[in-house]
Amino acid sequence: TQLLEQSPQFLSIQEGENLTVYCNSSSVFSSLQWYRQEPGEGPVLLVTVVTGGEVKKLKRLTFQFGDARKDSSLHITAAQPGDTGLYLCAGVPSGTYKYIFGTGTRLKVLA
Amino acid sequence: NAGVMQNPRHLVRRRGQEARLRCSPMKGHSHVYWYRQLPEEGLKFMVYLQKENIIDESGMPKERFSAEFPKEGPSILRIQQVVRGDSAAYFCASSPAAGSGNTIYFGEGSWLTVV
Repeated sequence: TQLLEQSPQFLSIQEGENLTVYCNSSSVFSSLQWYRQEPGEGPVLLVTVVTGGEVKKLKRLTFQFGDARKDSSLHITAAQPGDTGLYLCAGVPSGTYKYIFGTGTRLKVLA
Repeated sequence: NAGVMQNPRHLVRRRGQEARLRCSPMKGHSHVYWYRQLPEEGLKFMVYLQKENIIDESGMPKERFSAEFPKEGPSILRIQQVVRGDSAAYFCASSPAAGSGNTIYFGEGSWLTVV
């Protein structure tokens, strides 16, 4: 079974703090996506990382794809209450077509 | 999320009734995925369809659940004889093609409540 394990599962921090969310697998992915989901809504795509070692920045969010393309991380600088939500990594393991999701990280940023 | 349309957004059914959830993919997308999300949990793959074909239904319960994506019209996820445990959010996503190079885009979801 191909799995995407995310850590931590839950994170509650104060506004202004930094945090990192990890997404790990034993499978190789040709690309990984990160989504954020807010209560009552569908997941919204944040970024796609494609190349091993790639780093992408989206304002205060920095995404990195591992050199071996088996893992990825999301770093948020100076978190704000608006960053609160469920963060999901996802992708299609190489050689397959099934789009699988990580276990999710629930982030709560307190004002 | 723009473009993938799901309806109804909210559906209440009594135990034993049928629930039908519809998904219209983004324009130009011929691949549809259905996921189920229980409260406080992540998304679990249910089924992957192309037009008129079920490609992978390994995540679908063997009984009471079925899915289709006809040549014309939306994809339908059908749950017969619903039970309380079917209460969940059901998300549809679409992509232009299969494979690792394609990102999928989600609809807003359909929330099923079984009373």
